[in-house]
Formats: sequence, structure tokens, C-alpha cells
Amino acid sequence: DAGVIQSPRHEVTEMGQEVTLRCKPISGHDYLFWYRQTMMRGLELLIYFNNNVPIDDSGMPEDRFSAKMPNASFSTLKIQPSEPRDSAVYFCASMSQHTGELFFGEGSRLTVL
Amino acid sequence: GQNIDQPTEMTATEGAIVQINCTYQTSGFNGLFWYQQHAGEAPTFLSYNVLDGLEEKGRFSSFLSRSKGYSYLLLKELQMKDSASYLCAAVFRGGYNKLIFGAGTRLAVHP
Repeated sequence: DAGVIQSPRHEVTEMGQEVTLRCKPISGHDYLFWYRQTMMRGLELLIYFNNNVPIDDSGMPEDRFSAKMPNASFSTLKIQPSEPRDSAVYFCASMSQHTGELFFGEGSRLTVL
Repeated sequence: GQNIDQPTEMTATEGAIVQINCTYQTSGFNGLFWYQQHAGEAPTFLSYNVLDGLEEKGRFSSFLSRSKGYSYLLLKELQMKDSASYLCAAVFRGGYNKLIFGAGTRLAVHP
């Protein structure tokens, strides 16, 4: 398996633009997590899904953030409109409840100017 | 709450042993992970403890005490490449697995 695949790896955009981050979890994993990492706040859980259903989105900063998982092999995290304070590395991770190990993608580094 | 606390930074000498502690709130706790993260890279899995006791895996060992809400990661025979951040993450179960990370401990290994 290729592991968790995220795109884009890097994105630089201007304030006010829409940003869409994509994730393909490991096949067969029933959990998908979106995290944001900054120097100041560390690794923050934004939202997670179980069997494509959002379970807890209490970590989503505000209404500008939304996440979807239309099927078991794809998820998106959208920021609209983006702001400079959204600059961070966004990690997607997937897990099988049978093994319990969380596998991370390489992350998407977002810079909002 | 689900506060997870670990030291911000630690330093150690090559060849030595270092212990990185992690405490968490026990309510709903279901297991504890340790991850290693090198600068600019994704976190990678080191260990997962569900039961009390010590789990050894090569130079790395992880300990858990569920009653005390405490875990540690023990790194032996330190190497320069062990310089990284070490993230403690707890799983809280409210019907689903919710994985919350601590802020991480930056370990610097010196010659």
C-alpha cells in the first residue's frame, strides 16, 4: 500500500482565496483524521470520520473550515476564505480500529499571504 | 478535559538513556501512543500501550500506568538521529476512537 496520500504538498495562496486539501487514506482503514500543526499550538485535531461519517468536528476553528468524506477513499478539507493565521501544516491520518495504529500522510504545508 | 502534558524540551548525550514523561486525564482513556517526528516530516509510529506495564521494542520502550494517568518513553543508547520531537497521544473512547496529541517534546542529542 502506498500509505496515506495528501495533496498538495505545498500551497501558497493569498488571503481570501479558497483552499482545498485532499487526502486518500490507506485502503481498508475505517477512521480518517485531519490535524493541523503549528509551532505555537502543536498538533491539533480538527475533525475525524468513522466509515465516512463525521464523528467530531469540535476542533474545526470556525465556519470557514469544512471537511467532507464522500467515500472511503477520499476526503477533503476546505478553507474559504483563507486567512494568514491558517498557515500551518495540515496532516491527514488514517487508522483501522482493529490495529489501532495511526498512519500519517506527508502533510500539506499551507502558507496564506 | 483531555489535557496531555509532556516536557517541551530535553537534551541528552549520545549513548545515554533518556526518559520522556507524559501525563493525561484518565476520564475515557483507552490507550496511549508515542510518535516520533523529525523536523519537516510526518509523525511516525513508535509504540502503543493499552495495558499497564512496559513494552520494549529495540532501543525504545514505553510504559503505561492507567491508574496514574502516566506514561513514559525510554530511549536507550541514544544516537544523533534520535534528535526529534516525541509526541504522546491518548485515545479517548466515547463510542469512537478519538486520538489527541500532546504538544510534543523536542529532544536534542549531543555528541
